[in-house]
Amino acid sequence: GAGVSQSPRYKVAKRGQDVALRCDPISGHVSLFWYQQALGQGPEFLTYFQNEAQLDKSGLPSDRFFAERPEGSVSTLKIQRTQQEDSAVYLCASSLTGPFSYEQYFGPGTRLTVT
Amino acid sequence: AQKVTQAQTEISVVEKEDVTLDCVYETRDTTYYLFWYKQPPSGELVFLIRRNSFDEQNEISGRYSWNFQKSTSSFNFTITASQVVDSAVYFCALSEPNNNAGNMLTFGGGTRLMVKP
Repeated sequence: GAGVSQSPRYKVAKRGQDVALRCDPISGHVSLFWYQQALGQGPEFLTYFQNEAQLDKSGLPSDRFFAERPEGSVSTLKIQRTQQEDSAVYLCASSLTGPFSYEQYFGPGTRLTVT
Repeated sequence: AQKVTQAQTEISVVEKEDVTLDCVYETRDTTYYLFWYKQPPSGELVFLIRRNSFDEQNEISGRYSWNFQKSTSSFNFTITASQVVDSAVYFCALSEPNNNAGNMLTFGGGTRLMVKP
Protein backbone atom coordinates (compact mmCIF):
# COMPACT_ATOMS: atom_id res chain seq x y z
CA GLY A 1 0.00 0.00 0.00
CA ALA A 2 0.97 3.62 -0.28
CA GLY A 3 3.19 5.09 2.38
CA VAL A 4 3.35 8.63 3.69
CA SER A 5 3.93 11.10 0.90
CA GLN A 6 5.14 14.67 1.10
CA SER A 7 5.31 17.47 -1.39
CA PRO A 8 7.25 19.23 -2.58
CA ARG A 9 10.38 17.19 -1.99
CA TYR A 10 12.55 20.28 -2.32
CA LYS A 11 11.68 23.91 -1.81
CA VAL A 12 13.89 26.95 -2.16
CA ALA A 13 12.46 30.13 -0.73
CA LYS A 14 13.81 33.62 -0.49
CA ARG A 15 13.92 35.04 2.98
CA GLY A 16 10.57 36.56 3.83
CA GLN A 17 8.51 34.33 1.56
CA ASP A 18 5.71 32.11 2.82
CA VAL A 19 5.84 28.37 2.14
CA ALA A 20 3.35 25.51 2.47
CA LEU A 21 4.42 21.90 2.89
CA ARG A 22 1.98 19.08 2.32
CA CYS A 23 1.70 15.67 3.95
CA ASP A 24 -0.50 12.76 2.87
CA PRO A 25 -0.53 10.18 5.67
CA ILE A 26 -1.22 6.50 5.34
CA SER A 27 -4.94 5.90 4.91
CA GLY A 28 -6.61 5.13 8.23
CA HIS A 29 -3.83 6.52 10.38
CA VAL A 30 -5.36 8.72 13.02
CA SER A 31 -2.19 10.31 14.35
CA LEU A 32 -0.05 12.70 12.35
CA PHE A 33 3.20 14.31 13.42
CA TRP A 34 5.49 16.96 11.99
CA TYR A 35 9.19 16.99 12.79
CA GLN A 36 12.01 19.32 11.84
CA GLN A 37 15.43 17.87 11.10
CA ALA A 38 18.34 20.26 10.90
CA LEU A 39 21.44 19.16 9.04
CA GLY A 40 23.38 16.55 10.98
CA GLN A 41 20.86 16.32 13.79
CA GLY A 42 17.99 14.12 14.85
CA PRO A 43 14.40 15.05 14.06
CA GLU A 44 12.68 17.33 16.56
CA PHE A 45 8.96 17.30 17.27
CA LEU A 46 6.91 20.21 16.00
CA THR A 47 3.25 19.33 16.32
CA TYR A 48 0.74 16.48 16.63
CA PHE A 49 -2.74 15.87 15.30
CA GLN A 50 -5.26 13.28 16.27
CA ASN A 51 -7.71 13.29 13.39
CA GLU A 52 -8.38 16.98 12.74
CA ALA A 53 -7.56 18.09 16.27
CA GLN A 54 -4.17 19.64 16.88
CA LEU A 55 -3.50 18.30 20.35
CA ASP A 56 0.02 19.58 20.79
CA LYS A 57 1.95 22.35 19.08
CA SER A 58 4.54 22.90 21.75
CA GLY A 59 7.39 22.19 19.35
CA LEU A 60 6.57 24.92 16.84
CA PRO A 61 9.54 27.31 17.07
CA SER A 62 7.64 30.53 16.54
CA ASP A 63 4.26 31.95 15.65
CA ARG A 64 5.41 32.00 12.03
CA PHE A 65 4.77 28.27 11.96
CA PHE A 66 1.23 27.03 11.52
CA ALA A 67 -0.14 23.55 10.83
CA GLU A 68 -3.59 22.29 9.97
CA ARG A 69 -5.37 19.06 9.15
CA PRO A 70 -8.93 20.23 8.46
CA GLU A 71 -10.48 16.92 7.39
CA GLY A 72 -8.35 14.60 9.46
CA SER A 73 -6.27 13.31 6.56
CA VAL A 74 -3.98 15.61 4.56
CA SER A 75 -1.98 18.08 6.63
CA THR A 76 -0.24 21.30 5.69
CA LEU A 77 2.62 22.96 7.52
CA LYS A 78 2.87 26.63 6.70
CA ILE A 79 5.82 28.86 7.46
CA GLN A 80 5.32 32.57 7.11
CA ARG A 81 8.09 35.09 6.45
CA THR A 82 10.74 32.39 6.20
CA GLN A 83 14.12 32.97 7.82
CA GLN A 84 17.44 31.28 7.13
CA GLU A 85 17.21 29.33 10.38
CA ASP A 86 14.09 27.64 9.00
CA SER A 87 16.26 25.75 6.52
CA ALA A 88 15.85 22.08 7.39
CA VAL A 89 14.14 18.88 6.32
CA TYR A 90 10.53 18.76 7.43
CA LEU A 91 9.34 15.23 8.10
CA CYS A 92 5.78 14.06 8.40
CA ALA A 93 4.86 10.81 10.12
CA SER A 94 1.63 8.96 10.73
CA SER A 95 0.64 6.12 12.98
CA LEU A 96 -2.27 4.17 14.33
CA THR A 97 -3.43 5.15 17.75
CA GLY A 98 -4.57 3.25 20.77
CA PRO A 99 -3.28 2.06 24.10
CA PHE A 100 0.09 1.16 22.69
CA SER A 101 2.74 3.31 21.18
CA TYR A 102 2.66 2.21 17.58
CA GLU A 103 5.57 2.85 15.28
CA GLN A 104 5.43 5.97 13.20
CA TYR A 105 5.81 5.77 9.46
CA PHE A 106 7.74 8.62 7.97
CA GLY A 107 7.50 10.34 4.64
CA PRO A 108 10.55 11.25 2.54
CA GLY A 109 10.57 14.78 3.88
CA THR A 110 10.63 18.21 2.32
CA ARG A 111 14.02 19.86 2.21
CA LEU A 112 13.53 23.60 2.68
CA THR A 113 16.35 25.95 1.84
CA VAL A 114 15.90 29.61 2.65
CA THR A 115 18.27 31.93 0.80
CA ALA B 1 11.81 15.60 30.51
CA GLN B 2 12.84 12.85 28.18
CA LYS B 3 16.22 12.73 26.51
CA VAL B 4 18.08 10.36 24.22
CA THR B 5 21.84 10.38 23.83
CA GLN B 6 23.82 8.69 21.09
CA ALA B 7 27.39 9.41 22.02
CA GLN B 8 28.89 7.99 18.83
CA THR B 9 28.42 10.54 16.08
CA GLU B 10 30.23 8.53 13.45
CA ILE B 11 31.51 4.96 13.18
CA SER B 12 33.51 3.46 10.36
CA VAL B 13 33.97 -0.28 9.95
CA VAL B 14 35.11 -2.67 7.28
CA GLU B 15 32.57 -5.02 5.79
CA LYS B 16 31.90 -8.18 7.84
CA GLU B 17 32.88 -6.53 11.09
CA ASP B 18 30.38 -6.46 13.92
CA VAL B 19 29.38 -3.01 15.18
CA THR B 20 27.39 -1.79 18.17
CA LEU B 21 25.55 1.51 18.25
CA ASP B 22 24.98 2.90 21.72
CA CYS B 23 21.83 4.58 23.01
CA VAL B 24 21.21 5.97 26.49
CA TYR B 25 17.89 7.48 27.47
CA GLU B 26 16.35 9.49 30.29
CA THR B 27 12.72 9.42 31.33
CA ARG B 28 10.68 9.80 34.49
CA ASP B 29 7.89 7.58 33.21
CA THR B 30 7.67 3.91 34.10
CA THR B 31 5.90 3.17 30.83
CA TYR B 32 7.75 4.13 27.71
CA TYR B 33 8.78 2.80 24.34
CA LEU B 34 12.13 2.72 22.63
CA PHE B 35 12.73 2.65 18.90
CA TRP B 36 15.48 2.40 16.37
CA TYR B 37 15.15 3.98 12.94
CA LYS B 38 17.50 3.85 9.96
CA GLN B 39 17.95 6.84 7.68
CA PRO B 40 19.70 5.90 4.44
CA PRO B 41 21.08 8.55 2.08
CA SER B 42 17.65 8.82 0.45
CA GLY B 43 16.48 10.49 3.66
CA GLU B 44 13.43 8.47 4.60
CA LEU B 45 13.36 7.15 8.16
CA VAL B 46 12.85 3.38 8.21
CA PHE B 47 11.43 1.73 11.31
CA LEU B 48 13.58 -1.11 12.68
CA ILE B 49 12.26 -2.04 16.11
CA ARG B 50 9.97 -1.01 18.96
CA ARG B 51 10.47 -2.18 22.54
CA ASN B 52 8.31 -1.37 25.55
CA SER B 53 9.70 -0.69 29.00
CA PHE B 54 8.31 -3.87 30.50
CA ASP B 55 10.04 -6.19 28.11
CA GLU B 56 13.76 -6.45 28.68
CA GLN B 57 14.18 -9.55 26.59
CA ASN B 58 16.82 -9.04 23.95
CA GLU B 59 15.74 -9.41 20.37
CA ILE B 60 17.44 -10.73 17.29
CA SER B 61 16.31 -10.22 13.74
CA GLY B 62 18.70 -11.65 11.19
CA ARG B 63 21.96 -9.73 11.48
CA TYR B 64 20.39 -7.19 13.84
CA SER B 65 20.13 -7.54 17.60
CA TRP B 66 19.09 -5.22 20.38
CA ASN B 67 20.17 -5.19 24.02
CA PHE B 68 17.75 -3.38 26.36
CA GLN B 69 19.00 -2.81 29.92
CA LYS B 70 16.78 -0.75 32.20
CA SER B 71 19.41 -0.76 34.95
CA THR B 72 21.69 1.36 32.77
CA SER B 73 18.93 3.04 30.72
CA SER B 74 20.47 1.74 27.54
CA PHE B 75 19.09 0.27 24.34
CA ASN B 76 22.04 -0.71 22.19
CA PHE B 77 21.89 -1.98 18.63
CA THR B 78 24.34 -4.47 17.15
CA ILE B 79 24.82 -5.31 13.50
CA THR B 80 26.63 -8.59 12.94
CA ALA B 81 28.73 -9.10 9.84
CA SER B 82 28.09 -5.59 8.56
CA GLN B 83 27.47 -4.94 4.89
CA VAL B 84 27.94 -1.87 2.73
CA VAL B 85 24.15 -1.54 2.49
CA ASP B 86 24.07 -0.97 6.25
CA SER B 87 25.70 2.42 5.72
CA ALA B 88 23.22 4.98 7.00
CA VAL B 89 22.44 7.20 9.95
CA TYR B 90 20.78 5.32 12.78
CA PHE B 91 18.52 7.01 15.28
CA CYS B 92 17.41 5.83 18.67
CA ALA B 93 14.13 7.33 19.90
CA LEU B 94 11.94 7.38 22.98
CA SER B 95 8.17 7.70 23.30
CA GLU B 96 6.18 8.36 26.46
CA PRO B 97 2.55 7.51 25.72
CA ASN B 98 1.21 9.31 28.76
CA ASN B 99 2.10 12.78 27.59
CA ASN B 100 -0.23 15.06 25.71
CA ALA B 101 1.55 14.77 22.41
CA GLY B 102 0.32 11.32 21.62
CA ASN B 103 3.24 9.13 20.83
CA MET B 104 5.67 11.84 19.85
CA LEU B 105 9.22 10.62 19.46
CA THR B 106 12.25 12.14 21.10
CA PHE B 107 15.26 11.32 18.96
CA GLY B 108 18.92 11.08 19.72
CA GLY B 109 21.40 12.91 17.55
CA GLY B 110 22.03 9.86 15.42
CA THR B 111 25.08 7.74 14.63
CA ARG B 112 26.44 7.76 11.10
CA LEU B 113 27.64 4.28 10.21
CA MET B 114 29.98 3.85 7.28
CA VAL B 115 30.71 0.33 6.15
CA LYS B 116 33.63 0.11 3.78
CA PRO B 117 34.09 -2.77 1.34
